[in-house]
Parts: sequence; C-alpha cells; structure tokens
Amino acid sequence: KNEVEQSPQNLTAQEGEFITINCSYSVGISALHWLQQHPGGGIVSLFMLSSGKKKHGRLIATINIQEKHSSLHITASHPRDSAVYICAVRFGNSGNTPLVFGKGTRLSVIA
Amino acid sequence: NAGVTQTPKFRILKIGQSMTLQCTQDMNHNYMYWYRQDPGMGLKLIYYSVGAGITDKGEVPNGYNVSRSTTEDFPLRLELAAPSQTSVYFCASSYQSFAEQFFGPGTRLTVL
Repeated sequence: KNEVEQSPQNLTAQEGEFITINCSYSVGISALHWLQQHPGGGIVSLFMLSSGKKKHGRLIATINIQEKHSSLHITASHPRDSAVYICAVRFGNSGNTPLVFGKGTRLSVIA
Repeated sequence: NAGVTQTPKFRILKIGQSMTLQCTQDMNHNYMYWYRQDPGMGLKLIYYSVGAGITDKGEVPNGYNVSRSTTEDFPLRLELAAPSQTSVYFCASSYQSFAEQFFGPGTRLTVL
C-alpha cells in the first residue's frame, strides 16, 4: 500500500532551536510536497521537490530518493512557525497520480 | 487575485439534509480538487477535475457528487448528509497536475 509516514507527530521547541521534521514513503515517487497548515486552518504550499534540496528563508527541504525520505528543517525557529507541517507525495513515475498526504507534524515554538 | 474561495465557512446539517459546498478560483487553473480532513488523519481526495466538463473520483467519493461547468467553479454536493461526513472540507486548484496546489480556507461541516 502507498503510505506516507511523518515523525514526530508532535514537537515542542524553544525559540531559536533548529527543527527537523521527517517524512518517509513506501515506494517510488515523482514529487514530494511540504505544506504548512496555520492554526486558523489555512493550508499553504512551502516546497515541491523531486531531488536534492530547496531553501526558502529559514526553511530547508531535502529529499533522498534512494532512502525514500525527506526532511524539513527550520533554522532559528520562532513562535510564528507554530503550525502543522504536512508532507504529501505523488507515487509512481507519472505526474498525474493524486497526492497522498501524511497525517502532519504539529509544531509548537515557545518564546 | 482572491485565489481559491470557499463558502460557507461553517455549516451544521441534520442527518438526511443536502447541501452544496461552493469553490471558486480566479487563477485560470485547469485542475481542481476536493479534500476532506478528519481529526488526526491526512487529507483525503474526494473528487478532482482536470478541466471544465471533466471530473473523476478520488479515494473517498461515496456520498458526494461534483460538477465542473466552468473553469472557475467546482461545487461539491452532499445529497443525504450522514454523521460520517462531519469533517473539514478543502478545495484546491493547480495549473497542472504535478504543480503546486493552492488551497481555499476550508469549510467546517457538522452533521448531527
């Protein structure tokens, strides 16, 4: 079965800490997405990647295709980073298969 | 641009009632999606559309119907509401199937 697993489920950090959220998946993919769901419920796309590494501000996303694993890093974390971070993958070689979502990692950053 | 808009934001239904969740996007995206999000679970795809007049089932389509008469609008219809349909519903759109998806603010539906 095509599955997406995220860890940890919940994470509490002190402001300024370096944070890592992990995503692993069961079979080959064509793309992996990281999304952020705000406390109010809105969802925004952070990254879409199929290889290597992407950086945007304090956020870094990496993917290791051979190990079927991706990480989302937040440097110098801030209370405004508190949100649920969701990993989603597109299984198979085609870009037409639907996204399969992980259950999310709830991050709380304390000042 | 407003992006993806959804109405209503909240709704309470009685068992057996029907309703339509509205979704509109102004980005001229071909692809539109309906997801539901249950507590502690990942988003599940209900239906999607690759363009006006074309729709297809996702992972959890039972109890729902959709239509896509225009590029902008993708309404989701619940015909006979059941407590199992209590959830938060998100509409999303993308320019291409493999592109970034843009999400609406969600509709929180409770069926009692």
